[in-house]
Amino acid sequence: GDSVTQMEGPVTLSEEAFLTINCTYTATGYPSLFWYVQYPGEGLQLLLKATKADDKGSNKGFEATYRKETTSFHLEKGSVQVSDSAVYFCALSDREGLVFTGNQFYFGTGTSLTVIP
Amino acid sequence: DGGITQSPKYLFRKEGQNVTLSCEQNLNHDAMYWYRQDPGQGLRLIYYSQIVNDFQKGDIAEGYSVSREKKESFPLTVTSAQKNPTAFYLCASSIGVATGYTFGSGTRLTVV
Repeated sequence: GDSVTQMEGPVTLSEEAFLTINCTYTATGYPSLFWYVQYPGEGLQLLLKATKADDKGSNKGFEATYRKETTSFHLEKGSVQVSDSAVYFCALSDREGLVFTGNQFYFGTGTSLTVIP
Repeated sequence: DGGITQSPKYLFRKEGQNVTLSCEQNLNHDAMYWYRQDPGQGLRLIYYSQIVNDFQKGDIAEGYSVSREKKESFPLTVTSAQKNPTAFYLCASSIGVATGYTFGSGTRLTVV
């Protein structure tokens, strides 16, 4: 079945360091891939997405490229800030052909990031 | 602005009580979802609904119930049969596979 595996945390970085959070996936159909961010005590917010192979999603300095050959969607940022401290979730949404059957959204377990000044 | 509103933000339940968590969206999304999040853990699907008057159990539906009488609303009832209800509950909605989910800000339920 479909699944998402992301690197375990917690991750602690100094401000302005380079960030990579690994995410790999298994899917049977035509997945779209997502990164969500969750700040303490809040819901999840969509950070970026990619809907087909080789697409690059980007937002707020974060980037991720949909790599079908390696089934990966790693999250990167060149220079993290204290305000980036949060939990990051990789997710995929699959469909069978063109049909979205509603319960085909899979989340990774989340990676906690702490950025220290 | 369109979005999802969850209320209340904090909820306390006594042993043996049923409580209902509200979720309302004005995004005109057909599909709505309830997830449970425990500390340091990922999301687990409780129930989902793809259309009004229809809903399906997720991975951990025992002790929970839902209704979907209106497109905009998908309330979750945590019944006394749920033995460990203390958690953070997230409601989400979606319009399709390529758009992802929109989440509410969550309700933190605590048993006292």
